[in-house]
Amino acid sequence: NAGVTQTPKFRILKIGQSMTLQCAQDMNHNYMYWYRQDPGMGLKLIYYSVGAGITDKGEVPNGYNVSRSTTEDFPLRLELAAPSQTSVYFCASSLYGTGGRNEQFFGPGTRLTVL
Amino acid sequence: DAKTTQPTSMDCAEGRAANLPCNHSTISGNEYVYWYRQIHSQGPQYIIHGLKNNETNEMASLIITEDRKSSTLILPHATLRDTAVYYCIVGDGNKLVFGAGTILRVKS
Repeated sequence: NAGVTQTPKFRILKIGQSMTLQCAQDMNHNYMYWYRQDPGMGLKLIYYSVGAGITDKGEVPNGYNVSRSTTEDFPLRLELAAPSQTSVYFCASSLYGTGGRNEQFFGPGTRLTVL
Repeated sequence: DAKTTQPTSMDCAEGRAANLPCNHSTISGNEYVYWYRQIHSQGPQYIIHGLKNNETNEMASLIITEDRKSSTLILPHATLRDTAVYYCIVGDGNKLVFGAGTILRVKS
């Protein structure tokens, strides 16, 4: 199993550009998550999904969009990049959601810089 | 979700036990205590979780006080590879709220 994979690893965007961060998992997990991590800080939840076709906002959703058409994929879209979106983005997945048995598996991250 | 308080940093000698404390005085009855760690700039890694009872797995032990207001993560024989940021998180698990965590430095 590859686990959770993310592409690209690094990206530099100009202000106002758009891009999609890709995330895929091969563990047949129902739950998937997007976090961002600013320098020296903990992770903050952007969006999450409890299954194909179902998504919901996390703590910091403004400026982002998501979709979940398949169990495996959970792309994150930035429509109009701003310098405040410079961050490291982590995707994660878990088999279960709430309760105790919901260990989250994280991808390696995408380092995004907006200039 | 309940908030947690952790020391900013700790040092530990290689081969010794590392004991990482966490305060979560506002934890509610259905909230679990989760521990994750993040090595360098990698994605966080799950370590262990518990509700009321102490838990042990191949990586660590989790000791939760009887009133559930605090807990301690124990790495029994710390190695240099355990140097990382350790996050104590309290919640139902779906939407994890990461604080700044504790930087653990294991020194030879």
